Amino acid sequence: NAGVTQTPKFRVLKTGQSMTLLCAQDMNHEYMYWYRQDPGMGLRLIHYSVGEGTTAKGEVPDGYNVSRLKKQNFLLGLESAAPSQTSVYFCASRGTPREGVLVGANVLTFGAGSRLTVL
Amino acid sequence: SQQGEEDPQALSIQEGENATMNCSYKTSINNLQWYRQNSGRGLVHLILIRSNEREKHSGRLRVTLDTSKKSSSLLITASRAADTASYFCAARAQKLVFGQGTRLTINP
Repeated sequence: NAGVTQTPKFRVLKTGQSMTLLCAQDMNHEYMYWYRQDPGMGLRLIHYSVGEGTTAKGEVPDGYNVSRLKKQNFLLGLESAAPSQTSVYFCASRGTPREGVLVGANVLTFGAGSRLTVL
Repeated sequence: SQQGEEDPQALSIQEGENATMNCSYKTSINNLQWYRQNSGRGLVHLILIRSNEREKHSGRLRVTLDTSKKSSSLLITASRAADTASYFCAARAQKLVFGQGTRLTINP
């Protein structure tokens, strides 16, 4: 059981280039998330999805787009990369919380991260 | 805006000592979660405490929640070198919001 897999793990871009980060989960989770982690800032939510075909903005959505065409995949796109988008990006997923269901559906399972550098 | 604020930002102790990390949040919550992050890796869930719980244990971990003070603490007892990591609290209201984390170093 792989959990949450992110690709690529590392990428260097020039300003203005575009790229897509792929997140795949094999746990049949409904919810998926993209965070960025910067020194001293903790994790900040970029975009999220509550199910196949849905997306929503998080705390810092500007400059990013997402798509959830398949339940198991959540893509994060940068159309025109900027140095301010240099960061470590984490994808996470969770199941749908239901009354009486154990803790597991309330917590996030994270991928290993994707380190992006924009020059 | 950050929901969880953590204190201290960094903590360095000797192996075998206890480590305490604190988290404060701003609004009413449904639950509070603690995660651990080893260097260069993703976050891993440690423990969740619901808003109607005051204390929870899991192995060497003890979490307390004081909703009147809007604060939580994570205690790691009998620390080991392998506990060296960053620890994050995350408060869930409508959304899950993470604090900036505490970097814990256990010295052998």
